[in-house]
Amino acid sequence: KAGVTQTPRYLIKTRGQQVTLSCSPISGHRSVSWYQQTPGQGLQFLFEYFSETQRNKGNFPGRFSGRQFSNSRSEMNVSTLELGDSALYLCASSLGDRVADTQYFGPGTRLTVL
Amino acid sequence: TQLLEQSPQFLSIQEGENLTVYCNSSSVFSSLQWYRQEPGEGPVLLVTVVTGGEVKKLKRLTFQFGDARKDSSLHITAAQPGDTGLYLCAGGHNDMRFGAGTRLTVKP
Repeated sequence: KAGVTQTPRYLIKTRGQQVTLSCSPISGHRSVSWYQQTPGQGLQFLFEYFSETQRNKGNFPGRFSGRQFSNSRSEMNVSTLELGDSALYLCASSLGDRVADTQYFGPGTRLTVL
Repeated sequence: TQLLEQSPQFLSIQEGENLTVYCNSSSVFSSLQWYRQEPGEGPVLLVTVVTGGEVKKLKRLTFQFGDARKDSSLHITAAQPGDTGLYLCAGGHNDMRFGAGTRLTVKP
């Protein structure tokens, strides 16, 4: 089975712009979670989607949003980018039958905000 | 406050040494995962443990889940430079929560 894929791998944006990141889960996985990873804060949970519905949400401002499509692919959007949004954004997929199912990560998208 | 506390935060050892890293919590988990992450890449799953007291071995790596399912340890025997990376534990609760990680450096 192919693993989790994320596009693009690298992005450079300027403050105030918006960005959309994409994630394709492992075939058969219905849950997609998004995380932000920074050196200072570690892995921070953004949100989880299951069957096109947001099932869980972390403690991030409304500028961070996501969605999931009927084929389980997911996108994450960040509007009005700030310098502090520079991070590695990771997507993870799981079967989703249980909230705490084992997650499998993609390689991440490295976002740099200038 | 991290739901999962990992220790030590940093560990630098010589090739051939043994080491143990810990993952502790006050919460009970239905399962716990260990991942290894290399710079610029996503975490790669090493193991999932689900039963209290469970011990799993993966070559030179030994994982143990505490009897009360609140803590876990990872022991590496005869560490090699290829073991260098960030080791993360994650616990299933209402959602998946990650520890801050142990950054291991193995010097040749």
